[in-house]
Amino acid sequence: EVQLVESGGGLVKPGESLRLSCAASGLTFTNAWMSWVRQAPGKGLEWIGRIRSKTDGETTDYAAPVRGRFTISRDDSKNTLYLHVSSLEIEDTGVYYCTTDAFDSWGQGTLVTVSS
Amino acid sequence: DIVMTQSPDSLAVSLGERATINCKSSQSVLSSSSNVHYLAWYQHKPGQPPKKLIYWASTRQAGVPDRFSGSGSGTDFTLTISSLQAEDVAVYYCQQYHSLPRTFGQGTKVEIK
Repeated sequence: EVQLVESGGGLVKPGESLRLSCAASGLTFTNAWMSWVRQAPGKGLEWIGRIRSKTDGETTDYAAPVRGRFTISRDDSKNTLYLHVSSLEIEDTGVYYCTTDAFDSWGQGTLVTVSS
Repeated sequence: DIVMTQSPDSLAVSLGERATINCKSSQSVLSSSSNVHYLAWYQHKPGQPPKKLIYWASTRQAGVPDRFSGSGSGTDFTLTISSLQAEDVAVYYCQQYHSLPRTFGQGTKVEIK
């Protein structure tokens, strides 16, 4: 069974940075393309971006609202996916989920609150 | 970007009755090479992560009850719950995975009447 466990969320001030982690198990992480999705309070689901496997170049794609501020990376030796979020805005508040790129498996999410 | 628009925003259905949710994409999500629609449906309950129900517009994910079905083609798609159960109360989203960025509908909240 695939398990994805996010961590690293918390309360931060506007303009600050944060690194979210997603520990993966139950899948061959090295071969997995992975995505991040978020949900702002009272809003719907929003795809943030994805990272391909190392074999496929480990390249990334991002949604326009986060491009340039968010960076997705991975450490295959640790079976861990990362989301580096910088220049945080109040509108970035929400629950951040990591998922497999096919959206078959999701973590429970980690809450990021941006407030002054 | 492909815009996904769901209707209605919410609906209340009696237990055992049918619930129908519609989803319209602003562009075709049909893959010309594989002739399948890159359209998925998710169920999202409070405090839980979203759960994939349907992919390729009409294929049920393993373990999903057969009261859930997906249909449609072109730019118009439907999720049907044939006999609503109490545990089906949730927000449902359609999503296209034909193009980047992946985009979701705004969600449809299903409640018990």
